[in-house]
Amino acid sequence: DSGVTQTPKHLITATGQRVTLRCSPRSGDLSVYWYQQSLDQGLQFLIHYYNGEERAKGNILERFSAQQFPDLHSELNLSSLELGDSALYFCASSVGTGVAKNIQYFGAGTRLSVL
Amino acid sequence: GIQVEQSPPDLILQEGANSTLRCNFSDSVNNLQWFHQNPWGQLINLFYIPSGTKQNGRLSATTVATERYSLLYISSSQTTDSGVYFCVIVPTSGTYKYIFGTGTRLKVLA
Repeated sequence: DSGVTQTPKHLITATGQRVTLRCSPRSGDLSVYWYQQSLDQGLQFLIHYYNGEERAKGNILERFSAQQFPDLHSELNLSSLELGDSALYFCASSVGTGVAKNIQYFGAGTRLSVL
Repeated sequence: GIQVEQSPPDLILQEGANSTLRCNFSDSVNNLQWFHQNPWGQLINLFYIPSGTKQNGRLSATTVATERYSLLYISSSQTTDSGVYFCVIVPTSGTYKYIFGTGTRLKVLA
């Protein structure tokens, strides 16, 4: 168990809908990262938050947004869902924000199916 | 863009065999990690190794930063080693983003 909790584990929804994925980082970790894993794109970095502030943005679509709350949990919001958004979404956490010695621990993922 | 390529893409081993997985990257890095994604999808951190050599049980890793590659060695493989192995880098240039490699899918046969 990595200590990173993601909910829900599975989510099935329809095109055009909006969903929210939730992540609770390990105790003491201030950084949260979101990744998308799809069959055709592999694992892609979406966004990184540190102590409530956005630190880096990757290949995140404009239809997607994220935030980190004062209690350090994070939510990834996906709207106007398309079939191609079906994927496994991972959250990871780490202690710091610096790149050096920054080891990430991953949650079990949320599997999103858009029908 | 920055490339992170892993080889071989697929590998099938008999239990007890040794293997070497390679990760080539096209830019200098501040951070390099190896992960194992088990058949249930869980990503497990194996090594943080932007340079040098580390060992953990049957696994070891070496990164030669000046030549832009990293190697993951698996000795005496077990069926539980099956899954996909990823290297992940953060390049020194550009913005602070984690870039996953293409992965090596390993299957260890009993």
